[in-house]
Amino acid sequence: ELKVEQNPLFLSMQEGKNYTIYCNYSTTSDRLYWYRQDPGKSLESLFVLLSNGAVKQEGRLMASLDTKARLSTLHITAAVHDLSATYFCASGGRTDKLIFGTGTRLQVFP
Amino acid sequence: GAGVSQSPRYKVAKRGQDVALRCDPISGHVSLFWYQQALGQGPEFLTYFQNEAQLDKSGLPSDRFFAERPEGSVSTLKIQRTQQEDSAVYLCASSLVEDQPQHFGDGTRLSIL
Repeated sequence: ELKVEQNPLFLSMQEGKNYTIYCNYSTTSDRLYWYRQDPGKSLESLFVLLSNGAVKQEGRLMASLDTKARLSTLHITAAVHDLSATYFCASGGRTDKLIFGTGTRLQVFP
Repeated sequence: GAGVSQSPRYKVAKRGQDVALRCDPISGHVSLFWYQQALGQGPEFLTYFQNEAQLDKSGLPSDRFFAERPEGSVSTLKIQRTQQEDSAVYLCASSLVEDQPQHFGDGTRLSIL
């Protein structure tokens, strides 16, 4: 079965702290995407990782991909309240459907 | 428009009624996808179009679900004889053929009473 698993499912963290969200996938594709979803809103693309060892950073978020371990990570540095949202990783081919993880609901508190 | 547009934003229907959900992708985007997102879950794939051709419909849960994209731009997802388990947010996404992420619309929240 093709699966994408994220952990943790829920993450409550204090402002200023660092944390990592993990995404394991068993799909055949080595393309990995990270999306953010705010409550009642649609999905916003954060990162596209296309090759082994790919690392991308935007602000306080950094994503990486290890295709040999079939693992992607989303690292949060010095969290701020505005980062509170649900984060999804998804695996998919070039013109293929995305298989999403269950999501990590992040809450950042003062 | 600048993004993927979906309508209606909300739809309430009685069990047994037919519904039609519309998606207007980003101009020039060849690929179009429909996903179903249940509350608290990640989106699940329903069907995929490349231009007007429906290349993958493996995710459609039953023959009550039907999608079309007759001119390769706007797409409609139709659900016949709706049931309560059809209640979900239906998301449409489009992308260029190359290595670009799928861009999602705001979705249609469907509630079946």
